[in-house]
Amino acid sequence: DQQVKQNSPSLSVQEGRISILNCDYTNSMFDYFLWYKKYPAEGPTFLISISSIKDKNEDGRFTVFLNKSAKHLSLHIVPSQPGDSAVYFCAASFRDNNNDMRFGAGTRLTVKP
Amino acid sequence: DAMVIQNPRYQVTQFGKPVTLSCSQTLNHNVMYWYQQKSSQAPKLLFHYYDKDFNNEADTPDNFQSRRPNTSFCFLDIRSPGLGDAAMYLCATSRPRGALSPDTQYFGPGTRLTVL
Repeated sequence: DQQVKQNSPSLSVQEGRISILNCDYTNSMFDYFLWYKKYPAEGPTFLISISSIKDKNEDGRFTVFLNKSAKHLSLHIVPSQPGDSAVYFCAASFRDNNNDMRFGAGTRLTVKP
Repeated sequence: DAMVIQNPRYQVTQFGKPVTLSCSQTLNHNVMYWYQQKSSQAPKLLFHYYDKDFNNEADTPDNFQSRRPNTSFCFLDIRSPGLGDAAMYLCATSRPRGALSPDTQYFGPGTRLTVL
């Protein structure tokens, strides 16, 4: 039961432009949404999160937008840098069961110089 | 640096031969997780420990077992590996923050298991 979906396996963007990574979910009970970033040969690392009571959270070049009615969230990276090239995982969890985190399959972002 | 360590990074085993993967952490986190990730798929939670309390996911096969002898270490035992168990196995830790914030998970680099 894939409750979190990332439908684009890959994305290529020119350096300096905006990268938009998308994520859809099916369970309206999710309370938190997170993005993780994974470099080759390393484990995923936490990037940014958003609570379901908000629609936007910004941290430097990274902004996450949440559209609850559409069950959709997106991660915007602007400006994109070659060092942002990685696999990005979308994840979702519940307030009452924080240990139950569901991941998407990931989107591989390539930022070209 | 505080971190999550997984050994070995690559493990080759034979069909049906038991194998153990290990994870250690210096973060002193209460919760430790094991995920299985197959190629181009989402990491799938197998089970987690909250301190000494073991929590198994309903669809985790009985072939997979886990041990947590102390706060720092957690092991994944695969009793009789099949070809379908070849995957990346990720260990993660977290410290509960309460209901107002998500528990950020800290991941190790993973162990890639090959079954011959």
